[in-house]
Amino acid sequence: QKEVEQNSGPLSVPEGAIASLNCTYSDRGSQSFFWYRQYSGKSPELIMSIYSNGDKEDGRFTAQLNKASQYVSLLIRDSQPSDSATYLCAVKMDSSYKLIFGSGTRLLVRP
Amino acid sequence: DTAVSQTPKYLVTQMGNDKSIKCEQNLGHDTMYWYKQDSKKFLKIMFSYNNKELIINETVPNRFSPKSPDKAHLNLHINSLELGDSAVYFCASARESYNEQFFGPGTRLTVL
Repeated sequence: QKEVEQNSGPLSVPEGAIASLNCTYSDRGSQSFFWYRQYSGKSPELIMSIYSNGDKEDGRFTAQLNKASQYVSLLIRDSQPSDSATYLCAVKMDSSYKLIFGSGTRLLVRP
Repeated sequence: DTAVSQTPKYLVTQMGNDKSIKCEQNLGHDTMYWYKQDSKKFLKIMFSYNNKELIINETVPNRFSPKSPDKAHLNLHINSLELGDSAVYFCASARESYNEQFFGPGTRLTVL
């Protein structure tokens, strides 16, 4: 079983819609969760971090965490073509220095 | 005013050669990392240093050796390059080992 799982996509949504990206993780001891955006040929860019159950909003982005279900998601409201990228979920246990990445979900926002 | 920088950006070399990639961060962070991203875009940790001390040493060939002369620099030396070493190598840094990580622009290594 992979430690951090994401659907590879592509997830295609029309401009203005809500894009919902999902991630599950296997280690119940995980405490820190991150979403990175990676444009083709570029480096990963941190867009959200979340540490406790519930929702965390930052502009058009909302991260949702449910530790009981071992599930973290990213919602992008009013999706724009410029949001088209690969979104990487990353998970960290407090007892470990390592950040474990999922394989990423490719998002396409159609004009 | 680049936060995390890497040199070179591209590296094309022959099998069997030895090469180095350099990384510098000007964020005042204590922890630095090397990641490898393969052709399937999977990002995997290789090494991490915290205040010049090695804290993560994943299962990578002995041909890969990190060196941290100070906490702002983390270099990666690769001996006897192989075709399978072709990938993009990213450096990252964090204020503490448990904090958010910030990535450099990457070095695309191509071994012919």
